[in-house]
Amino acid sequence: TAGITQAPTSQILAAGRSMTLRCTQDMRHNAMYWYRQDLGLGLRLIHYSNTAGTTGKGEVPDGYSVSRANTDDFPLTLASAVPSQTSVYFCASSDWAGSSYNEQFFGPGTRLTVL
Amino acid sequence: DQQVKQNSPSLSVQEGRISILNCDYTNSMFDYFLWYKKYPAEGPTFLISISSIKDKNEDGRFTVFLNKSAKHLSLHIVPSQPGDSAVYFCAASDSQGGSEKLVFGKGTKLTVNP
Repeated sequence: TAGITQAPTSQILAAGRSMTLRCTQDMRHNAMYWYRQDLGLGLRLIHYSNTAGTTGKGEVPDGYSVSRANTDDFPLTLASAVPSQTSVYFCASSDWAGSSYNEQFFGPGTRLTVL
Repeated sequence: DQQVKQNSPSLSVQEGRISILNCDYTNSMFDYFLWYKKYPAEGPTFLISISSIKDKNEDGRFTVFLNKSAKHLSLHIVPSQPGDSAVYFCAASDSQGGSEKLVFGKGTKLTVNP
């Protein structure tokens, strides 16, 4: 079972350019999430989606957008990258039931450097 | 304001001894707590969790303790093994908040010396 895949593994991007980070899960989880990890700051939620067709903002949503056209895919787009978006990005998913908690499963991450 | 705090950036213990990682939270709405383990260049992996209706949960060498009145939880690893060396993240969730969004601490890097 692949679980969660992310692409690309790493990327160097010029400031001002746009980029889409891809995330696909094969566990049929209804909820998906995007986090960024920065040294000394832990993981911070960017956007999330409880189910296909819905999205919500997390703790640090500015400069990012997401879409959830289907259950499996949850792309994260940077419309005009800035150096402060240099980070490691993790996608995650969970089988959210609304009444009980299920742990999130994480992808391997995308390391993005914006110059 | 940081809602989940891990005040020790690093911890070093000898193989076979106990490792104790601590976590404090400020949001009284949090009712589910998790610990994730992360190796370099990999995504975090779920380790153990605890609901606020419990004060202890055990899974093999790993035990999580929750003190709701103090808003404090801890992860005990006994005995510690070199393969436990990783960054450990504490996370919390408000299960009544309409999603399973997690708030993470900054992490504690555990080094287990042979």
